[in-house]
Amino acid sequence: ILNVEQSPQSLHVQEGDSTNFTCSFPSSNFYALHWYRWETAKSPEALFVMTLNGDEKKKGRISATLNTKEGYSYLYIKGSQPEDSATYLCASMTTDSWGKLQFGAGTQVVVTP
Amino acid sequence: DGGITQSPKYLFRKEGQNVTLSCEQNLNHDAMYWYRQDPGQGLRLIYYSQIVNDFQKGDIAEGYSVSREKKESFPLTVTSAQKNPTAFYLCASSDRPGVTNEKLFFGSGTQLSVL
Repeated sequence: ILNVEQSPQSLHVQEGDSTNFTCSFPSSNFYALHWYRWETAKSPEALFVMTLNGDEKKKGRISATLNTKEGYSYLYIKGSQPEDSATYLCASMTTDSWGKLQFGAGTQVVVTP
Repeated sequence: DGGITQSPKYLFRKEGQNVTLSCEQNLNHDAMYWYRQDPGQGLRLIYYSQIVNDFQKGDIAEGYSVSREKKESFPLTVTSAQKNPTAFYLCASSDRPGVTNEKLFFGSGTQLSVL
């Protein structure tokens, strides 16, 4: 994988349901993986920065896992709430693009009551 | 409140005109970045600066210029050489450039459109 890819592009979730989505990134020369949440009319905000293979991070009902050997990360939302509606961006940094994050196109999550 | 301020929120450019987007931060961060977003695409890096009076080209620098004369300011000029400037522009900053676990802080963006 040469670019950062996120899937699905969008998803609709019923309030209370759990969901997850994927970020695929170049596994060679891996350096760091970032997740951001971008709500409409607001600025993107950092959720997690992950650097170690097997790393798991959690913030409230949102958690993320990282597999640097195969080049993917999952973001999980447990018991989705309407305030979780946002676009979730992932971005990776490699050792040969040091200091430069490459972003995926995002997964847009819509949580309906 | 500490943060990043981008102005204006909306900007219109005429043919052949240069326009400058402002980005100011009061977070005392060393590094600042400019990203461009087009529909359906990820954020793409235009320019970044890790220290005052120094900056590097990102992936799509053609048609853009920047300056970093002060730590808190990183203005972006969209020149007439940028043939497709219509996009949403985001400024960001981070502390301690080169430390892998440093997250980005973003401004609220400027939407640039061509008249």
